[in-house]
Amino acid sequence: DAKTTQPPSMDCAEGRAANLPCNHSTISGNEYVYWYRQIHSQGPQYIIHGLKNNETNEMASLIITEDRKSSTLILPHATLRDTAVYYCIVRGFNNDMRFGAGTRLTVKP
Amino acid sequence: NAGVTQTPKFRVLKTGQSMTLLCAQDMNHEYMYWYRQDPGMGLRLIHYSVGEGTTAKGEVPDGYNVSRLKKQNFLLGLESAAPSQTSVYFCASRPTANYGYTFGSGTRLTVV
Repeated sequence: DAKTTQPPSMDCAEGRAANLPCNHSTISGNEYVYWYRQIHSQGPQYIIHGLKNNETNEMASLIITEDRKSSTLILPHATLRDTAVYYCIVRGFNNDMRFGAGTRLTVKP
Repeated sequence: NAGVTQTPKFRVLKTGQSMTLLCAQDMNHEYMYWYRQDPGMGLRLIHYSVGEGTTAKGEVPDGYNVSRLKKQNFLLGLESAAPSQTSVYFCASRPTANYGYTFGSGTRLTVV
């Protein structure tokens, strides 16, 4: 599976969009991009995933660049409850998830 | 619909003791996973299963065994606990390969 690079921490103002970047320059054609988050010491929560098209659901949007070497998770209107560690994972279709250190997002009032 | 349930939630073991962590899911998921998370670190995969009766090793399998005798249950065993196994253990499941995981709330294990 391709390696991912995420900033260790980010801040965002409450009500603003939070844009979390992920670099995966070695991604191969059949690998998906997944995003999870972990709030405090709870179990991680699945957010969204995609292959090459942009995706949107009730939680977030996923923007994948045309060359697929990077992606951005967008939380359109961040709230204090979105403060968490966000994990970007690239994996093949049948492979398990390997979690890195992630990005610690702090939403501030 | 309880999702993924882990028992126990907390446990303290003495070095050398054995125990079994239970993960149960009621979503009819095929795939199940055991991860551990040490303070300030990401999750590391211990073992996983792609269906009833199957198991496979992950990144850090040493010191652990697993069994998947029933589709809904995935058991993680520690035969002889060591302080290095002090961690938070998370179980996860998913229906098939192209889905996200559903995680349990974790088991906090301390080995003294």
